[in-house]
Amino acid sequence: DAKTTQPNSMESNEEEPVHLPCNHSTISGTDYIHWYRQLPSQGPEYVIHGLTSNVNNRMASLAIAEDRKSSTLILHRATLRDAAVYYCILKYPFGNEKLTFGTGTRLTIIP
Amino acid sequence: GAVVSQHPSRVICKSGTSVKIECRSLDFQATTMFWYRQFPKQSLMLMATSNEGSKATYEQGVEKDKFLINHASLTLSTLTVTSAHPEDSSFYICVPTDALTDTQYFGPGTRLTVL
Repeated sequence: DAKTTQPNSMESNEEEPVHLPCNHSTISGTDYIHWYRQLPSQGPEYVIHGLTSNVNNRMASLAIAEDRKSSTLILHRATLRDAAVYYCILKYPFGNEKLTFGTGTRLTIIP
Repeated sequence: GAVVSQHPSRVICKSGTSVKIECRSLDFQATTMFWYRQFPKQSLMLMATSNEGSKATYEQGVEKDKFLINHASLTLSTLTVTSAHPEDSSFYICVPTDALTDTQYFGPGTRLTVL
């Protein structure tokens, strides 16, 4: 499995943007970049995914480097409810492949 | 979005007893089910993969005779922790895969505490 590396933890002030980085230098040409987040005592929830182009949805934006070796999850205006562990995962798009979780980034939001 | 339920959400049991965790996909059919566990302050670790009607495939280091997985229908899978010990205390999460879209949906998790 191609590996991802993320900072263990980050802090951000409430109502400010948050940029969560992820490195995936061994990504293959067909791997999609997926982001999940896990709130305390809950199962992970899907946030966003992309292949090459930047992606936006109601939860976040995903900026993907041109060489695809890194990506950044952007929360435009963090709220206290965004405090969670954020996981960056590479996923082969075809078939039903397992998701391999790294350590993720624990995001703390400061009121 | 798709709905996945797990029952019970929390369970406390005595050492040596067995605990069954149910995972249901409420509005889709799941041909494949992944079971993960998560120890405190750690990431999710895959335990096993099961396909409906077939035996589960276990990850290295996971005892198949201790963690019994039954995936008898397209909407229900169960994980039974047999002869539970305190070191089995963990957060167990099922992830069924929608048969039509190959999309994986995470269950809410079951917190198991073995005394």
